[in-house]
Amino acid sequence: EDKVVQSPLSLVVHEGDTVTLNCSYEVTNFRSLLWYKQEKKAPTFLFMLTSSGIEKKSGRLSSILDKKELFSILNITATQTGDSAVYLCAVSSSNTGKLIFGQGTTLQVKP
Amino acid sequence: GAGVSQSPSNKVTEKGKDVELRCDPISGHTALYWYRQSLGQGLEFLIYFQGNSAPDKSGLPSDRFSAERTGGSVSTLTIQRTQQEDSAVYLCASSLVGHLYEQYFGPGTRLTVT
Repeated sequence: EDKVVQSPLSLVVHEGDTVTLNCSYEVTNFRSLLWYKQEKKAPTFLFMLTSSGIEKKSGRLSSILDKKELFSILNITATQTGDSAVYLCAVSSSNTGKLIFGQGTTLQVKP
Repeated sequence: GAGVSQSPSNKVTEKGKDVELRCDPISGHTALYWYRQSLGQGLEFLIYFQGNSAPDKSGLPSDRFSAERTGGSVSTLTIQRTQQEDSAVYLCASSLVGHLYEQYFGPGTRLTVT
């Protein structure tokens, strides 16, 4: 059975800290791994990763994929209170766009 | 429209009643998805539409769940004879056909079955 596991499930940090969120997966026919940020209801797209070792970067956020070890990390540097959210990792293993999500990591950034 | 919209935003229903949830995708997005998010759980895939057809409905949990899409746009998810375990947030997403994994989500419908 395909599965995606995220860790930690929750994390509390202070503004300015750097955090690393983890995502491991076991799926057949891996196609891509995605990261989403969910603040209230609608998850918003952050990154899509398909190749190992190539870092994707957007401002203070970056992510990298290791297809040999079957995991990805999402880094957030110089965290701000606005980074507080649930971060979702998802993997696609089909050509239909069906995504398999992990449980999410709840990040709280304190002032 | 500017984004994916869903209605209603909240729905409370009695066990055994039928409910319909609506999704309006982003204009021009031919791919549409329904997911379910139960309390404390990740998103669970329900069904995928390409145009008006559903090539992947593998996530529908039972035959009480059905969905349709008309005109390649609006989609309706119907749950018949609702049960308490159906309580969840139902999220709809859409994408361009060439970018199936870059999905844009709506705000969801919170369904509570009492």
